[in-house]
Amino acid sequence: EAGVVQSPRYKIIEKKQPVAFWCNPISGHNTLYWYLQNLGQGPELLIRYENEEAVDDSQLPKDRFSAERLKGVDSTLKIQPAELGDSAVYLCASSLMEGQEFFGPGTRLTVL
Amino acid sequence: AQSVTQLGSHVSVSEGALVLLRCNYSSSVPPYLFWYVQYPNQGLQLLLKYTSAATLVKGINGFEAEFKKSETSFHLTKPSAHMSDAAEYFCAVSGNQGAQKLVFGQGTRLTINP
Repeated sequence: EAGVVQSPRYKIIEKKQPVAFWCNPISGHNTLYWYLQNLGQGPELLIRYENEEAVDDSQLPKDRFSAERLKGVDSTLKIQPAELGDSAVYLCASSLMEGQEFFGPGTRLTVL
Repeated sequence: AQSVTQLGSHVSVSEGALVLLRCNYSSSVPPYLFWYVQYPNQGLQLLLKYTSAATLVKGINGFEAEFKKSETSFHLTKPSAHMSDAAEYFCAVSGNQGAQKLVFGQGTRLTINP
């Protein structure tokens, strides 16, 4: 069974530039999560989707961050414009309803 | 509201020694509790979880954890450390009703000395 796929694995951009991350969850998993993991910290939930509906986006900084899951399968997280403080690892996870979360390898973002 | 505190950001043990990683939680509802492991440049992998059944939970790679409600603790142990156990370990809590988000601790980096 293929796991959660994320791309790119690494991204380096200059501040004020836009950036996008892509996540393909495990087949059949209707719940998808985006987490932010700062260096030396645990992951923090940014947004959770049930199918194509964002059911918890309370921690998503909506002035510069956006996410979509148009067909209820893969998802894209975007930052525009990026700031120095956005340097972190962005993790995607998926699960069946109320089930165990499976995490992808993450995208490591460096903003210069 | 829920939170997790992991005592000790770094733990170092000798190969073959007991591993003890401490986790205390706070939750206004009966919790589910989890331990995850993260190897360098990889995502998180579930070690074990407590979901209100047996208080002593056995996980993968010889790890286990005991839920102690009176102490609000969920410490992770392994009797004999192996070099391959070197990684970052995260404790997490969620509610036990429906799909609840995970709240993670700050992590404990485990180093194994030969």
